[in-house]
Amino acid sequence: SQQGEEDPQALSIQEGENATMNCSYKTSINNLQWYRQNSGRGLVHLILIRSNEREKHSGRLRVTLDTSKKSSSLLITASRAADTASYFCATDARETSYDKVIFGPGTSLSVIP
Amino acid sequence: DARVTQTPRHKVTEMGQEVTMRCQPILGHNTVFWYRQTMMQGLELLAYFRNRAPLDDSGMPKDRFSAEMPDATLATLKIQPSEPRDSAVYFCASGLVRTGRTEAFFGQGTRLTVV
Repeated sequence: SQQGEEDPQALSIQEGENATMNCSYKTSINNLQWYRQNSGRGLVHLILIRSNEREKHSGRLRVTLDTSKKSSSLLITASRAADTASYFCATDARETSYDKVIFGPGTSLSVIP
Repeated sequence: DARVTQTPRHKVTEMGQEVTMRCQPILGHNTVFWYRQTMMQGLELLAYFRNRAPLDDSGMPKDRFSAEMPDATLATLKIQPSEPRDSAVYFCASGLVRTGRTEAFFGQGTRLTVV
């Protein structure tokens, strides 16, 4: 079964607005990562947050992690049309002896110019 | 500019034919993943290698799929015989396992269509 589940499945916003995507997972993790995928392309790593971190920033991206709720959120501020893509969270299960990176189903973000 | 290279980018084949997809991981990376992406199932982990050894291939249909790493610069995923339900985009990703973290770098994928 998939480790991460993103919410919402699809999100449409106006350029300049903020976009928030959420991810929930089931088991204890070492890290949680967010990836972006443009249509027809491979995934691009955006940001990694460790299980002992609560918040991390990278440019217009802000990621939070709440291990007690087993959830994370990705905030994209001042969105641009170029941010239109699918966004995936990925987790690695702590109970395995190796880091098995499992992806959620993704959130499809459309930013309207 | 280091990147994961996958070949071919597109493949159309007839049902029953053998399909081989190749991946060149980033030099120095010790971890290789194979994922399959479909609209219905999303991204599924098929196989996982570390230092060329298969650690997990539980996501792969064993009767028709096989994954190997003949050397550190090449990973292969074979389907024999192929079926229409294998149609998907297959991604290879490589990473360098550091203490407590694995960040995966993805190739552009192989879009497979089995007719």
